[in-house]
Amino acid sequence: NAGVTQTPKFQVLKTGQSMTLQCAQDMNHEYMSWYRQDPGMGLRLIHYSVGAGITDQGEVPNGYNVSRSTTEDFPLRLLSAAPSQTSVYFCASSLGQGRYIQYFGAGTRLSVL
Amino acid sequence: KNQVEQSPQSLIILEGKNCTLQCNYTVSPFSNLRWYKQDTGRGPVSLTIMTFSENTKSNGRYTATLDADTKQSSLHITASQLSDSASYICVVITTSGTYKYIFGTGTRLKVLA
Repeated sequence: NAGVTQTPKFQVLKTGQSMTLQCAQDMNHEYMSWYRQDPGMGLRLIHYSVGAGITDQGEVPNGYNVSRSTTEDFPLRLLSAAPSQTSVYFCASSLGQGRYIQYFGAGTRLSVL
Repeated sequence: KNQVEQSPQSLIILEGKNCTLQCNYTVSPFSNLRWYKQDTGRGPVSLTIMTFSENTKSNGRYTATLDADTKQSSLHITASQLSDSASYICVVITTSGTYKYIFGTGTRLKVLA
């Protein structure tokens, strides 16, 4: 039981490049979400999914895309990277929303030059 | 505006000492309040979850309190250890249709030998 696995751990991109951050969980959780963590700020929600085939925008969705074709996987796509997207990205999963424990991955540290 | 404020921003204590971290919130309607521990370079890990009717919850040497009337919570760490060095994040969940997670910016704790 690996929990929530994020890859890669580190990534450097040039402005305008695209990439996909991977997130997988093996706990059969319905709810998955992506956050970004920036210095001096709380975690901010980018996108979330309440189940396979269902996604919705969070607080800061611009410049990011998601899809959820399986319960296990929830990739985050950066369409055209910008320096403002330099951040640490966390994927989280839980059985449901609100009352359930959230489990976080170890994070992906992304730098956009 | 829904906000979660934590104090102090950072704290240094000696191993074996106790400490208390504060969380004030202006979130409504209230669903539950959580404390997370985040080690450097890792994702947050859930310590406690408290609903409106719970005013104390313990997890080992960690004890969280909640005063829903004054909208304040605290996390008390007893007999600190070097491994307690981490950031501690307070999160308040609100629901008015959909759940929303409001994250504080955290308190960075350093425990010295």
